[in-house]
Amino acid sequence: EPEVTQTPSHQVTQMGQEVILRCVPISNHLYFYWYRQILGQKVEFLVSFYNNEISEKSEIFDDQFSVERPDGSNFTLKIRSTKLEDSAMYFCASIGRPQNFNTEAFFGQGTRLTVV
Amino acid sequence: LAKTTQPISMDSYEGQEVNITCSHNNIATNDYITWYQQFPSQGPRFIIQGYKTKVTNEVASLFIPADRKSSTLSLPRVSLSDTAVYYCLVGAPNSGNTPLVFGKGTRLSVIA
Repeated sequence: EPEVTQTPSHQVTQMGQEVILRCVPISNHLYFYWYRQILGQKVEFLVSFYNNEISEKSEIFDDQFSVERPDGSNFTLKIRSTKLEDSAMYFCASIGRPQNFNTEAFFGQGTRLTVV
Repeated sequence: LAKTTQPISMDSYEGQEVNITCSHNNIATNDYITWYQQFPSQGPRFIIQGYKTKVTNEVASLFIPADRKSSTLSLPRVSLSDTAVYYCLVGAPNSGNTPLVFGKGTRLSVIA
């Protein structure tokens, strides 16, 4: 079964440092997303990406965040200057071309980001 | 996006059938109902999606009444491995540009 792959599985970084979280979506998918989940809380939408540009973003996705799809396979989330409150699980997801109204989103296993 | 309401938690014994109901009074004509499952420290996983009446797959059944203002996810004969958080999502499915919006979900605990 195709899967979304995220690396690293766990990243520890010092406050103020830049981090890049990496994702390899399913190869023929068109829509890409980043979500985050703070421990014990709900899954929160950060940003969606389609046709090489951001299609929607949430209030959480401020100027400290950016996304890129540099080479047609990887999809990255960069946090420029991490804060303690950025500590969370970050999930990448992708959706293929909707077929028969089925838009199943495939999620990666997540990257646990710990800011110290 | 239609707001959804589901119980915060449910407990069940192994082997029981579990029904989780979700209310979505403001569902729009184009909206579909989708359920995801999330195990601890894992990403959400698609379970089932439907528009009306009943949908069944190898994992679950989804019952949607005629007014579509609610839906019920039915898990037959649950096992310990079904312990997870279950999310009900409502939205138009044929646009990947519409992001999935997760609520707090229902935490199902299956006990032996």
